[in-house]
Amino acid sequence: NAGVTQTPKFRVLKTGQSMTLLCAQDMNHEYMYWYRQDPGMGLRLIHYSVGEGTTAKGEVPDGYNVSRLKKQNFLLGLESAAPSQTSVYFCASSRRLNQPQHFGDGTRLSIL
Amino acid sequence: AQKITQTQPGMFVQEKEAVTLDCTYDTSDQSYGLFWYKQPSSGEMIFLIYQGSYDEQNATEGRYSLNFQKARKSANLVISASQLGDSAMYFCAMREGQTSYDKVIFGPGTSLSVIP
Repeated sequence: NAGVTQTPKFRVLKTGQSMTLLCAQDMNHEYMYWYRQDPGMGLRLIHYSVGEGTTAKGEVPDGYNVSRLKKQNFLLGLESAAPSQTSVYFCASSRRLNQPQHFGDGTRLSIL
Repeated sequence: AQKITQTQPGMFVQEKEAVTLDCTYDTSDQSYGLFWYKQPSSGEMIFLIYQGSYDEQNATEGRYSLNFQKARKSANLVISASQLGDSAMYFCAMREGQTSYDKVIFGPGTSLSVIP
């Protein structure tokens, strides 16, 4: 039972490079989220989706784009990476709003 | 402005004692929900407990209970009989919104250390 799978687990980028983080869930959940975690700041919501084909901005959306073309996948893109985007990125999903989120193991991203 | 406040960056508790982790929140919605998650040093996020704003009784899950005081907008987590494995970061989170585009946001967390 895979749950929520994030790819890749680690990545080092140079400033200005682009990349896509993939989140896949096999639980048929409607809601999916991307968070970033930085020391002392908890998890901050970047973007989220309430169903296939939908996306919405969270607390810190600038510099990121997302897509949810298929219900099971939620992609997070960095078009031009900046050192301020160095962080641990977590994807999460939930069936409904009042049910707990299932989290992936995180992606540690360093931008030099 | 921070919508979820966890005023205790770090807490210590003696093994087998109870501990309360504070969480206050700010929302104008009538319908909302509050979650607590645990993040051990290994990094995974573990769901502990949920309280809906309309739930009449405080939520409980094993050694975890939620002291929900709606008028004060607080949702404190109580861990009874602390164990060494309870040492971790603890995050309070809130579901907010009035449409189908509700979202879940997190507080900054509290680091709990259980002392043998």
